[in-house]
Amino acid sequence: SAVISQKPSRDICQRGTSLTIQCQVDSQVTMMFWYRQQPGQSLTLIATANQGSEATYESGFVIDKFPISRPNLTFSTLTVSNMSPEDSSIYLCSVLSGSGGVYFGPGTRLLVL
Amino acid sequence: DAKTTQPTSMDCAEGRAANLPCNHSTISGNEYVYWYRQIHSQGPQYIIHGLKNNETNEMASLIITEDRKSSTLILPHATLRDTAVYYCISVGTYKYIFGTGTRLKVLA
Repeated sequence: SAVISQKPSRDICQRGTSLTIQCQVDSQVTMMFWYRQQPGQSLTLIATANQGSEATYESGFVIDKFPISRPNLTFSTLTVSNMSPEDSSIYLCSVLSGSGGVYFGPGTRLLVL
Repeated sequence: DAKTTQPTSMDCAEGRAANLPCNHSTISGNEYVYWYRQIHSQGPQYIIHGLKNNETNEMASLIITEDRKSSTLILPHATLRDTAVYYCISVGTYKYIFGTGTRLKVLA
């Protein structure tokens, strides 16, 4: 399995500002993913973070709102831009491990006021 | 990826086996069945996965029907710490489509 850490673990932000969430993995992985979990809801895939190329976004998510970086095989960032209270969620990073399983980080709890 | 359906909630007595069903009637031949659980808004935790054979690990057993249209996750001796939301996902491309899961409550 992979050990995944996320920073920050939680934050409270003002509307109109942006927050960048970091995801660090303890081993090189080919695929990294970002999910959102709104209060009381299940997880929704935002995008696949591709190393060396632009992220691939799911329907309903756009790069201007959720820019993603993937500078190497162990690190990725997700930025939540121009935040509104509707962006209050848990944001989760996940990775595809060499064994074929997908493992999730602890999540970043975001509250937008 | 195929859609899965699960009961919304289940209760189980502590020490008894918890059997969580999942329907994936539209699963295709190359899609695996994965199970995860999420305890109190932590990141989902991998439990087990299988293709067509039954699987067992230190956490649970996975029983997949012969036609692969449904499966059951078995926690052999449920404890209070197994209270969580359990997700069954059919996966072909690693793009996980999460359903609403089953909220399992283990009762003392």
